[in-house]
Amino acid sequence: AQSVTQLGSHVSVSEGALVLLRCNYSSSVPPYLFWYVQYPNQGLQLLLKYTTGATLVKGINGFEAEFKKSETSFHLTKPSAHMSDAAEYFCAVTNTGNQFYFGTGTSLTVIP
Amino acid sequence: DTGVSQDPRHKITKRGQNVTFRCDPISEHNRLYWYRQTLGQGPEFLTYFQNEAQLEKSRLLSDRFSAERPKGSFSTLEIQRTEQGDSAMYLCASSLAQDRLRGYTFGSGTRLTVV
Repeated sequence: AQSVTQLGSHVSVSEGALVLLRCNYSSSVPPYLFWYVQYPNQGLQLLLKYTTGATLVKGINGFEAEFKKSETSFHLTKPSAHMSDAAEYFCAVTNTGNQFYFGTGTSLTVIP
Repeated sequence: DTGVSQDPRHKITKRGQNVTFRCDPISEHNRLYWYRQTLGQGPEFLTYFQNEAQLEKSRLLSDRFSAERPKGSFSTLEIQRTEQGDSAMYLCASSLAQDRLRGYTFGSGTRLTVV
């Protein structure tokens, strides 16, 4: 069985501050992990993914995430928040690619 | 490449009516997926197709739901005898089968409101 837990349904940061969105996963087999972003009334856009290899992965818009197997975590970070980062962020896990399991999402607010 | 298109963007229907949504995937993608997203939740898997074959269905897909992809291109999702609990965003996504572990391309969704 696979699942994802996103700690903190709402996160607020000041513009220019560090963004940290937390994701912990559960998987009985090596996972493939993803972060997606969703803007209001839109579909999901892939930010970054971990498949194999380097555990620190870089994505679009300055985001990165680190796969930590010992902590079963895949937290999303960005050094400096921008107003345009305000959105809903979803962490997801799969092991076959046939079905993704998404977390409940974290809503990011950026305060000017 | 125009991405994944979904139609309509919004649908309001009365309880008990039937509704049908359409999804046009990226043209070269042989995999097509349907997900449902209720308010405040992440997307939940409903079903997926490879070409015209429906390979997996979630238990969420009750008998009132049916999906087709008759020619391996566009897909339709029909909900019969809609209930208020069907109110949600219905998301379609596509990928190449061999690239499925690289993530999908999602459409903008169809928001269904059952009144």
